[in-house]
Amino acid sequence: NAGVTQTPKFRILKIGQSMTLQCTQDMNHNYMYWYRQDPGMGLKLIYYSVGAGITDKGEVPNGYNVSRSTTEDFPLRLELAAPSQTSVYFCASTPWEAKNIQYFGAGTRLSVL
Amino acid sequence: DAKTTQPPSMDCAEGRAANLPCNHSTISGNEYVYWYRQIHSQGPQYIIHGLKNNETNEMASLIITEDRKSSTLILPHATLRDTAVYYCIVRVDLMDSNYQLIWGAGTKLIIKP
Repeated sequence: NAGVTQTPKFRILKIGQSMTLQCTQDMNHNYMYWYRQDPGMGLKLIYYSVGAGITDKGEVPNGYNVSRSTTEDFPLRLELAAPSQTSVYFCASTPWEAKNIQYFGAGTRLSVL
Repeated sequence: DAKTTQPPSMDCAEGRAANLPCNHSTISGNEYVYWYRQIHSQGPQYIIHGLKNNETNEMASLIITEDRKSSTLILPHATLRDTAVYYCIVRVDLMDSNYQLIWGAGTKLIIKP
């Protein structure tokens, strides 16, 4: 199993550009999450999903959008990128039957210049 | 805002027990304490969690004080591969049967030969 796969690994954006960070999991997990991690800090929750077609805001949702059309995919969309969105983004998933453990992808390092 | 405070860094000799402290004095009665670690440039990895009782698994032990205002993660025989940032986290339950992890800034643990 590949687990949680994030693409791309690195990206540089100009201010005002948009992009989609991809996240795919092959474990048939119901719950999926997007976090951002700023330098020297812990993770902050951006959005989460409890299943296909259902998404909800986390702690820091402004400037981001998500969709969950399938169980496997949970893309994160940045519209009008700003320097404050420079961060490392992590996607995670959790199965319904073992909600206590979140499985993380390797992250996407994004710089907005 | 973070609900936990941890020392920013600690050293431990290889083969010795690593004891990582965490303060969570404002934790509510139904909020769990979780520990994750993050090895450089990787996604976080689940270690252990608990509510009131001490917990042990194949990776570590978690000791929670009786008043639940602090806890200690114990790695019984630290190896060089245990060098990582260790996060003490409070879990807050959400309305839709999901939960949010509130991450602190973590402790950078360096295992020395």
